[in-house]
Amino acid sequence: DSGVTQTPKHLITATGQRVTLRCSPRSGDLSVYWYQQSLDQGLQFLIQYYNGEERAKGNILERFSAQQFPDLHSELNLSSLELGDSALYFCASSVGEGIYEQYFGPGTRLTVT
Amino acid sequence: AQKITQTQPGMFVQEKEAVTLDCTYDTSDPSYGLFWYKQPSSGEMIFLIYQGSYDQQNATEGRYSLNFQKARKSANLVISASQLGDSAMYFCAMREYGTASKLTFGTGTRLQVTL
Repeated sequence: DSGVTQTPKHLITATGQRVTLRCSPRSGDLSVYWYQQSLDQGLQFLIQYYNGEERAKGNILERFSAQQFPDLHSELNLSSLELGDSALYFCASSVGEGIYEQYFGPGTRLTVT
Repeated sequence: AQKITQTQPGMFVQEKEAVTLDCTYDTSDPSYGLFWYKQPSSGEMIFLIYQGSYDQQNATEGRYSLNFQKARKSANLVISASQLGDSAMYFCAMREYGTASKLTFGTGTRLQVTL
C-alpha cells in the first residue's frame, strides 16, 4: 500500500459525459501528479500540483482540468468524454518538487462507452 | 526523440534465477533521476528503486539492484533470486531536474517467472 488513495476504482460512463476522479496523497506529501495509461499511448504525464498551485502541464487535453485543494487532495475533471479517453488514470504524490520518488495510487479505470 | 528505451517487450526467467531488464535513456540535463516501477496484473504501480545521476554507487533495495552506467546512459534493473510474484510489467522512468517534475516512462518489459 503506497498510502495514496484514489476513488473510484472503476468508472463506466457514456460519451459526452463528465466525470471527476479524486486523489488523496500520502501524508506529508505536497506534490500531486496525474498520469494516464492507455494501450496506444503508454504512461503519460498529465499535470502536477504543488501545495495547491499548478506547477507543470504535460499532454493534458483542454477538456481535462485538475485542481489541488487546501487539504492537498486533488481532483481530475474529464469532460465531453470520448471513447479514446478510456484508460487507467493514476495519481502519484511526492514529498516535494525535487527528484523524489513518486508513489502511485491504485488508479481509476475509466471506460467510456 | 525517445527519452527512455526498453528494448525487451517480454522476458522469461526461471524461479530462483537472476534477471536483468534493460533500460537506456537520453538526456542533456546533468541532473536527473532514474526510477523503476513494477506493475502487476492488478494494475497498481509499485516504486522499486531510484538512482540519482550524481550517485557514485549503484542503488540496491533488497533483491533489486540498479546497474547504472552513466557513460553508456543505461540503468538496468537486476532482480536476484526471482520469485513467482515478480511476474509483472516493469517500467523504467526518468525525471530531469531542469524540466517539469514529470516522470517520463519507457514502454515496459513484461517479465514472466516460471517454475
